[in-house]
Amino acid sequence: KAGVTQTPRYLIKTRGQQVTLSCSPISGHRSVSWYQQTPGQGLQFLFEYFSETQRNKGNFPGRFSGRQFSNSRSEMNVSTLELGDSALYLCASSLVQGDNSPLHFGNGTRLTVT
Amino acid sequence: ILNVEQSPQSLHVQEGDSTNFTCSFPSSNFYALHWYRWETAKSPEALFVMTLNGDEKKKGRISATLNTKEGYSYLYIKGSQPEDSATYLCAFNGGNQFYFGTGTSLTVIP
Repeated sequence: KAGVTQTPRYLIKTRGQQVTLSCSPISGHRSVSWYQQTPGQGLQFLFEYFSETQRNKGNFPGRFSGRQFSNSRSEMNVSTLELGDSALYLCASSLVQGDNSPLHFGNGTRLTVT
Repeated sequence: ILNVEQSPQSLHVQEGDSTNFTCSFPSSNFYALHWYRWETAKSPEALFVMTLNGDEKKKGRISATLNTKEGYSYLYIKGSQPEDSATYLCAFNGGNQFYFGTGTSLTVIP
């Protein structure tokens, strides 16, 4: 079974630009969640999608948005990039959020904003 | 903002030593406590999902316990090996999202 796939692995963008990250979950997994990791911080929850609906959102500004498609693939968009958005972005899939199945993580996208 | 704390931040042990780390979390609105192992250049990998007070889980040389009333979980590694070197993350599921600790970085010296 293929794991969670995130693309691209690395991105360099300039302040003010926007970026789109992609996540393909494990086949059959319907929940996709996104996390940001910056140095010294734990993984910070961005949002979670289930059946194309955003079910939960973390404490991030509206510049961070996402969506999920009918095949459960998810995209995350960050507009008007700031230097502080430089981070590792991880997505994770699970069978159903809330049933206590473990999260399966992708390898992440390393975003650098200059 | 909900606080999940892990201690120690980092740990260096000799091969063969046994070790343990702590995860502290709120004792209210508990749904589950997850442990993950995150090796360098890889993605975090689930170790345990713990849901009931008093839960004890074991996977080879690694085991974990859970106390939801006082809000802590311990992860134990018996006879550490160099391949155990990784960051160990705990994640508290409060029902609508996961709250991760900053992890314990373990280095096992051969």
